[in-house]
Amino acid sequence: ETGVTQTPRHLVMGMTNKKSLKCEQHLGHNAMYWYKQSAKKPLELMFVYNFKEQTENNSVPSRFSPECPNSSHLFLHLHTLQPEDSALYLCASRHGLAGGDTQYFGPGTRLTVL
Amino acid sequence: TQLLEQSPQFLSIQEGENLTVYCNSSSVFSSLQWYRQEPGEGPVLLVTVVTGGEVKKLKRLTFQFGDARKDSSLHITAAQPGDTGLYLCAGAGAGGTSYGKLTFGQGTILTVHP
Repeated sequence: ETGVTQTPRHLVMGMTNKKSLKCEQHLGHNAMYWYKQSAKKPLELMFVYNFKEQTENNSVPSRFSPECPNSSHLFLHLHTLQPEDSALYLCASRHGLAGGDTQYFGPGTRLTVL
Repeated sequence: TQLLEQSPQFLSIQEGENLTVYCNSSSVFSSLQWYRQEPGEGPVLLVTVVTGGEVKKLKRLTFQFGDARKDSSLHITAAQPGDTGLYLCAGAGAGGTSYGKLTFGQGTILTVHP
């Protein structure tokens, strides 16, 4: 238990569906991250939020839309995805400011796009 | 762009053997994290090393941060089947646009046979 939870753990969706991934951290952190992990590739950073403000969009297609309503919650809204978007989506949090660099990861959502 | 080369990519050994995983870069990192990840789960933090030349031990695991903070190694003594998993190194940006972001190595898939 790392203090970062993600739901759902598994998701199967069609290319025309709209779904959302949820991440919640119970660590009092101020920075939250979305990563994509595909087979045989290093983790790819997608988005970074610091104090609820998006500070990084790593050239992610607009079919992925993040939302951070507060420092504890992070969402990733999905619509009209492609089969190549199938991957493990990981959320992470970091203390921020002078709290160090270490990021703590959630268990991930395994997404399959049919 | 910071890069982190991790080797080897695959390691298959017998129980009781020793092994070392390396992460190398031409970039300086403010800290370096090592994670272990099991299939379908998120990476779990093993250790963070911060100071050049630092050595940390976690039971049978020994982590070292290079003097110049550009490289790191993970050594496992007397490996056990429970050590099986994906090991990831991740370097934290030293400043500027890299601050708050991690650069991940490609990962090492370790299999320890009984």
